[in-house]
Amino acid sequence: EPEVTQTPSHQVTQMGQEVILRCVPISNHLYFYWYRQILGQKVEFLVSFYNNEISEKSEIFDDQFSVERPDGSNFTLKIRSTKLEDSAMYFCASSFRIAETQYFGPGTRLLVL
Amino acid sequence: AQKVTQAQTEISVVEKEDVTLDCVYETRDTTYYLFWYKQPPSGELVFLIRRNSFDEQNEISGRYSWNFQKSTSSFNFTITASQVVDSAVYFCALSEGQRAAGNKLTFGGGTRVLVKP
Repeated sequence: EPEVTQTPSHQVTQMGQEVILRCVPISNHLYFYWYRQILGQKVEFLVSFYNNEISEKSEIFDDQFSVERPDGSNFTLKIRSTKLEDSAMYFCASSFRIAETQYFGPGTRLLVL
Repeated sequence: AQKVTQAQTEISVVEKEDVTLDCVYETRDTTYYLFWYKQPPSGELVFLIRRNSFDEQNEISGRYSWNFQKSTSSFNFTITASQVVDSAVYFCALSEGQRAAGNKLTFGGGTRVLVKP
């Protein structure tokens, strides 16, 4: 069964460093999303991406964040200069059509020291 | 703006007991979609069910059942004869309408279910 994959599973970085989180969505899906979950809290929407451009972003998704689909399979989230408060689990999700089920990857746990 | 409230933060039951998780949502759209996801201790988000706003029929899938009531803006989830493997955090989520650019999910705060043997 197709699934969303994410790498790395864990990432530890120093404050101020850049990190890139990688996702491979399900192959025939057209809509891509990033969410984050601070430990013990709810899952929060960051950004949606469709047709090679950002379609919606939340207040969390400021200028330090960017997303890219560099090729036909990968979908990346870059945090340019990490802060302590960026420590969280980051989930990638994809769906085939609008409003259809979003399937989530296993997440990348990011720890900023 | 859309909002999802899961008033129960944690529920503890003994195996074989039934457990019902409450979910109340707010939206101004007439077309919307409701979801339940399970997050086991390993951390991934597992899709359980999707419902659209025009389909109020209740659903049963094995030991899981869902009760959707538009009149009270609720989409409750029941686990019948709970098992230890049901121990997880369960999230209710809402997406509004059919926006051309995609539909973000708004999650509730989650309910942690602990099933004791």
